[in-house]
Amino acid sequence: GENVEQHPSTLSVQEGDSAVIKCTYSDSASNYFPWYKQELGKRPQLIIDIRSNVGEKKDQRIAVTLNKTAKHFSLHITETQPEDSAVYFCAASSVDSGGGADGLTFGKGTHLIIQP
Amino acid sequence: NAGVTQTPKFRILKIGQSMTLQCAQDMNHNYMYWYRQDPGMGLKLIYYSVGAGITDKGEVPNGYNVSRSTTEDFPLRLELAAPSQTSVYFCASSYSTSGSALEQYFGPGTRLTVT
Repeated sequence: GENVEQHPSTLSVQEGDSAVIKCTYSDSASNYFPWYKQELGKRPQLIIDIRSNVGEKKDQRIAVTLNKTAKHFSLHITETQPEDSAVYFCAASSVDSGGGADGLTFGKGTHLIIQP
Repeated sequence: NAGVTQTPKFRILKIGQSMTLQCAQDMNHNYMYWYRQDPGMGLKLIYYSVGAGITDKGEVPNGYNVSRSTTEDFPLRLELAAPSQTSVYFCASSYSTSGSALEQYFGPGTRLTVT
């Protein structure tokens, strides 16, 4: 089955600086890679996702890059703000014949701390 | 739309007891999923369903059962609860057709303690 490794487990950055979180996956059949943000006691919420036919995707201060050859993908957050403090999870999945994802394999998470 | 709803929010079970975690969605989503999240860890897939009457095992299905008799509901059954099943359980759903968005929408979770 798929295995997703995520690093670092904790990341502390100064407000206004950039943060980068990296993930690797093992199954070359995986072709969908979402990133979720989870605040304490809350449900995970999708912040950005990318499919394997795209190398990079950006949404305002958030960007994701994907290297299919190396089987790794990264989340980049620029101009970090206090409200970015949370746990971030990467995940991987493959799209089945019905067009849906057959369940996500998650990394163990990165606790992002924004220092004022 | 209420989105994805889960009941109960919290539950304490004794070892060996059984219970059903309820999950419902009102978005007409065809795919539904159950995950568990242990403290400080990522989510792990228990079971998922691509439509009414169809279910499939995920990474950690042992000790659980599911059914999908309607599009809206996807209950998770725990038989003979064990301390290892202490976790937060999240239900999720997505609407997937070829080429469509794949976002999974999560419910608020059920925090289960087995003692």
